[in-house]
Amino acid sequence: RKEVEQDPGPFNVPEGATVAFNCTYSNSASQSFFWYRQDCRKEPKLLMSVYSSGNEDGRFTAQLNRASQYISLLIRDSKLSDSATYLCVVNRKSYYGQNFVFGPGTRLSVLP
Amino acid sequence: DTEVTQTPKHLVMGMTNKKSLKCEQHMGHRAMYWYKQKAKKPPELMFVYSYEKLSINESVPSRFSPECPNSSLLNLHLHALQPEDSALYLCASSQGSVATNEKLFFGSGTQLSVL
Repeated sequence: RKEVEQDPGPFNVPEGATVAFNCTYSNSASQSFFWYRQDCRKEPKLLMSVYSSGNEDGRFTAQLNRASQYISLLIRDSKLSDSATYLCVVNRKSYYGQNFVFGPGTRLSVLP
Repeated sequence: DTEVTQTPKHLVMGMTNKKSLKCEQHMGHRAMYWYKQKAKKPPELMFVYSYEKLSINESVPSRFSPECPNSSLLNLHLHALQPEDSALYLCASSQGSVATNEKLFFGSGTQLSVL
């Protein structure tokens, strides 16, 4: 079993739709959680951190459930520019240092 | 725009060549990383340097040799690579503190093709 798993996708949605991505992680020692987006042939870019209380940034809402080891990302009113791969990232700090573990990613295509 | 700079952006090399990938950051970060990413796959961690010391080596073949000359620079020396090593190589940095809210910042990557 992979340490971080995500919805396999791809998700093809019309403009204006609401779409939700799910992510689970297996290591209970994980300490911090993020969503990154990656455009084709580009580097991953931080979309938002994910906090236990839930957090919102414009059209994006992230939730974390530590008990279930589950992370979600909700995108409202999808735009064409939201088309990308969304990567769930978990950081587990160890004796050796920070270790950011990436999920396999979920590809989103927003269609006109 | 990324504050982590990688050069070159593209590299084509033969299996007998020796080349180096370079990465630089001026954010005062003390942790630097090399990731390898194949098409349609997530980034895979190769190496982590923390305060200029190699702290994580994810069983990477010795044909990849990392080097951290100072806190701002990270190199990846390549020698006798195989065609399956063709991938996007991403450098990243984070603060390197004991805080649990460290964030990872990526350079734009080097697209490597091994012929």
